[in-house]
Parts: sequence; structure tokens; C-alpha cells
Amino acid sequence: EDQVTQSPEALRLQEGESSSLNCSYTVSGLRGLFWYRQDPGKGPEFLFTLYSAGEEKEKERLKATLTKKESFLHITAPKPEDSATYLCAVHGAGNNRKLIWGLGTSLGVNP
Amino acid sequence: NAGVTQTPKFQVLKTGQSMTLQCAQDMNHNSMYWYRQDPGMGLRLIYYSASEGTTDKGEVPNGYNVSRLNKREFSLRLESAAPSQTSVYFCASSEWLTERGPQHFGDGTRLSIL
Repeated sequence: EDQVTQSPEALRLQEGESSSLNCSYTVSGLRGLFWYRQDPGKGPEFLFTLYSAGEEKEKERLKATLTKKESFLHITAPKPEDSATYLCAVHGAGNNRKLIWGLGTSLGVNP
Repeated sequence: NAGVTQTPKFQVLKTGQSMTLQCAQDMNHNSMYWYRQDPGMGLRLIYYSASEGTTDKGEVPNGYNVSRLNKREFSLRLESAAPSQTSVYFCASSEWLTERGPQHFGDGTRLSIL
């Protein structure tokens, strides 16, 4: 069965303390992996799409990487405004083009 | 840029009442989706519309109906609301129903069924 697991469930960092969030996936034929950010009371906001192992994407303090089994979202020198829930989703060949979503990692950054 | 707009933002219903959630996008996207988000369950797809004139069931379609009114608008209807349908509902759109393009979300409708 295709599935996505995100870890940790919650993470609290001090401002400037770099860390990584993990998204492990089991899917038949990965067609794309997506990272989203969700603020309280808002809808998910698209961050990155990764398509093949070895691919990397960057945006400000965020960098997403992809292997054949997992993706990491690296956060470098985070600021309080980076506090949010980060969601991972995958498209697999057998999913009829629908996304499979993880439960997210809730990130808090203390000033 | 409005993106995806959902109305209403909040709603309280009594069991058995009906209502329609509205969604409109201004990005000229072809595909639209309805999700529900519940604690511990993540985002679950209710219905989607690959293009104007088509709709298909997602993971949890029971108790819901949808209408793709035109290219911009996609509505979700609860015919007889049940407490199990208390949730946050998100509408999303993408250029095409394909893994090559991201989905863009509205800010949700928070629905409580008493």
C-alpha cells in the first residue's frame, strides 16, 4: 500500500538552529514529491516539487532533497516566521494521479 | 491575486441540514479538488474535477456531491449533514490533473455539525 510518513511529528528549534524534517514514502513508481507549508487557519502553500532521486530545490532558508525512499526539508538558520506545519505529498504511478499526503511536521521556532 | 477563494469561511449546521460550499479560482486552471482535513487523518480527497464538465470520486465521497459549474467554479454539497462531516474543507486547483504541476489551495471552510 502506498503511504507517506513524516517525522518528527513536532519540532521546536531556537532561532538560528538548523535542522531537517523527514518524509519517507512507499509508492509504486514515484512521479513527483511535493512539499507544502501550512499556517494555522490557512490552506497549504506550495513550496517545492521534486521528481527524481538526487534532485534538490532551494528557497530562502529551505532546501528540499530527494532519495529513492525519502525526502528531507533542511531548514538553515530558521527564524520565528518559519514556524508552521510542513506537509509532504507524493504522486505514484498507481494512484490515478491523486496525491498521498503525510500528516505533517509542526515546526516552532523560538526567538 | 486572489488565487482560490472559498465561501463561507465558517459555518455551523444542525444534523440533517444541507448546504453548499463554494469555490472559485482565477488562475485559469483546468483541474479542481475538494479535500477534508481532520486531526490525525491528514488531507483526504473527497471529489475532483479533471476538467470542465467532468467529476470523479476521491477517497471519501460518501455523503457529498459536487458540481463543476464552469471552468472557475467547483462546489461541494452536503445533502443531509452528519456530525462525522465536521471538518475543515479545502478546495484546490491545478493547471492540469497531473503530477507535474502543484495544487494551489484556498484558506478553507470550517464546518461544524451539531
